[in-house]
Amino acid sequence: EAGVAQSPRYKIIEKRQSVAFWCNPISGHATLYWYQQILGQGPKLLIQFQNNGVVDDSQLPKDRFSAERLKGVDSTLKIQPAKLEDSAVYLCASSPPGREVGTGELFFGEGSRLTVL
Amino acid sequence: GEDVEQSLFLSVREGDSSVINCTYTDSSSTYLYWYKQEPGAGLQLLTYIFSNMDMKQDQRLTVLLNKKDKHLSLRIADTQTGDSAIYFCAESPLGGKLIFGQGTELSVKP
Repeated sequence: EAGVAQSPRYKIIEKRQSVAFWCNPISGHATLYWYQQILGQGPKLLIQFQNNGVVDDSQLPKDRFSAERLKGVDSTLKIQPAKLEDSAVYLCASSPPGREVGTGELFFGEGSRLTVL
Repeated sequence: GEDVEQSLFLSVREGDSSVINCTYTDSSSTYLYWYKQEPGAGLQLLTYIFSNMDMKQDQRLTVLLNKKDKHLSLRIADTQTGDSAIYFCAESPLGGKLIFGQGTELSVKP
């Protein structure tokens, strides 16, 4: 079974530029998450989608971050304009339907590492 | 509120046991998790425990849960150099998301 795919793996930009990350979840997984992991910290949830609807975006800095999940499959996360403090690894994860009944495991991609200069 | 706390570093010798501790705040979590992150990689589920259990054993891994104190621990028996990684504790409040601790970096010396 193919895992969660993310691209690009690495991106270096200057502050005030924009960047976009792409995620393809595991086939059939209804729920998709974007997490931000700053060096030395645990992952922090940015946004959670259920199919193509937003379940939780309370921690998303909406003045500069946006995310969409058209057609309930792939998702993109955009940052515009980027700040120095956005340097982090952006992790995408997915989970199957009925997560509250199962073990609740999230399946993570390898992440997209962003460096803002 | 939602908060998960872990100690940041642990160093052990190969063959010893490792114990990584975690405290959490959300008593509604149905499951509690341990994830492992190797350098440059995403997070992989290591093990989990259902909230009505006190202990779960899975080969070299033992998870202990003290629900009263909201304390979770992960014991790795016969720790190997390949176990060197960052270990994250996570709680699962209602809604499906996971809340992670800051991670414990385990260093295993030969």
